[in-house]
Parts: sequence; structure tokens; C-alpha cells
Amino acid sequence: AQTVTQSQPEMSVQEAETVTLSCTYDTSESDYYLFWYKQPPSRQMILVIRQEAYKQQNATENRFSVNFQKAAKSFSLKISDSQLGDAAMYFCAYRSGETSGSRLTFGEGTQLTVNP
Amino acid sequence: KAGVTQTPRYLIKTRGQQVTLSCSPISGHRSVSWYQQTPGQGLQFLFEYFSETQRNKGNFPGRFSGRQFSNSRSEMNVSTLELGDSALYLCATQRPGTDTQYFGPGTRLTVL
Repeated sequence: AQTVTQSQPEMSVQEAETVTLSCTYDTSESDYYLFWYKQPPSRQMILVIRQEAYKQQNATENRFSVNFQKAAKSFSLKISDSQLGDAAMYFCAYRSGETSGSRLTFGEGTQLTVNP
Repeated sequence: KAGVTQTPRYLIKTRGQQVTLSCSPISGHRSVSWYQQTPGQGLQFLFEYFSETQRNKGNFPGRFSGRQFSNSRSEMNVSTLELGDSALYLCATQRPGTDTQYFGPGTRLTVL
């Protein structure tokens, strides 16, 4: 079974600064997808960024980018120019590309605080 | 484009009762997955439905069940509620041929 670990329960960053959230995963599969979701106080889960395991290029979405290290099974999220609206719980998630279905396995989450 | 909708948003029940939650997917999305979120256990997968068939099931007791209708709307049912069933229940939907799920706002269930 796949597992996802987020070792930072809480992180804080100053507005306009850069922060990196860590995520490691364990799998024996070679085909899979990785995601970062954001959950603000409203509790609505919002997709931040996705990465396909067979793509070596790191995904980027505006101020959000990932550092995907497949051999190390690491998938960190970098938020540049942090804004107050980035404050939320961030979840790293894994989805198999080798079995049917859309099941996501989530990490424990990292609570990000943005200080003005 | 309308997002994933879940009803009701909040629910209070007592132990022993049963509850039904509903999830309406984004138009064109045929896969519906359900997750339970609690402070202690985090986000856990309950089950997934696709084309009215259960495609995957998580490690939850038989009191948790679900179904999907021909219009892809899904319901989950919890019978004989326990205090530990208090949680945020999230559904997520996905379009065929894609790999990304989109979540609804959740239903907050409180069991007294």
C-alpha cells in the first residue's frame, strides 16, 4: 500500500517571502500522480498543482512550483511571493496510475500561516 | 461552470440513527469518490463509484455504504451512527480520461 508523509505539521512564512512544504511517499509503482491540495478555513479542498510521475519536468502554476525527486520519492511544494490568502492547510496526495480508480492517499497535512 | 455540490452542508444526528449524504458532480464527471476527514485520522478514502458501480472501497465497516445514480449523482449512507462518525465528509468527482479530482464543500456531520 502507498503511504504519504508530511513531516511538517505547521509552517509559517512572512508575506512576500518563499516557503517550501515537504512531502515524501512510498510506493512500488512506477506510474502515478502526485497532487497538492489546499484547504482554507472554509474547508473547501482546492487543487493547487499536479505532477505526473513519468514527467521529469517539475510542474509550475504561477507562484506555485514543485520539486519532484522520483528516486528519492520526494514531492515538495514551493510557494513564492506568499500572500495572506495562501494561509491554509496543505495536503499532499498520491494517486496510482496502475490500478483503476481515482483513489487518493493523503498525507497528514501542513498548516501554513502567512504573517503580514 | 457549476462545481461539485454536496447536501446538506451541516447535519446533527444522535447515536443509532442513520444518515444519507448527497453529492452532485460537475457536469460530465462520472467518477465520484467519498472521503472522511477527522482531526485524528486525517483524510481517509471511503469508496468510489463510476457508472453506477462501486469501483474501489476503503477500510470502513459495512455501516458505510453508497450508491450512484444514472445521472452520476451519488449518495452515501451511514447506519447506526456512532460518536466516532462525527466528521467532515467530502466528495470528489472526476471526468473520464483525466487524472484530477475536484472536491465539493463537504458535509459536516455531528453525532451526539
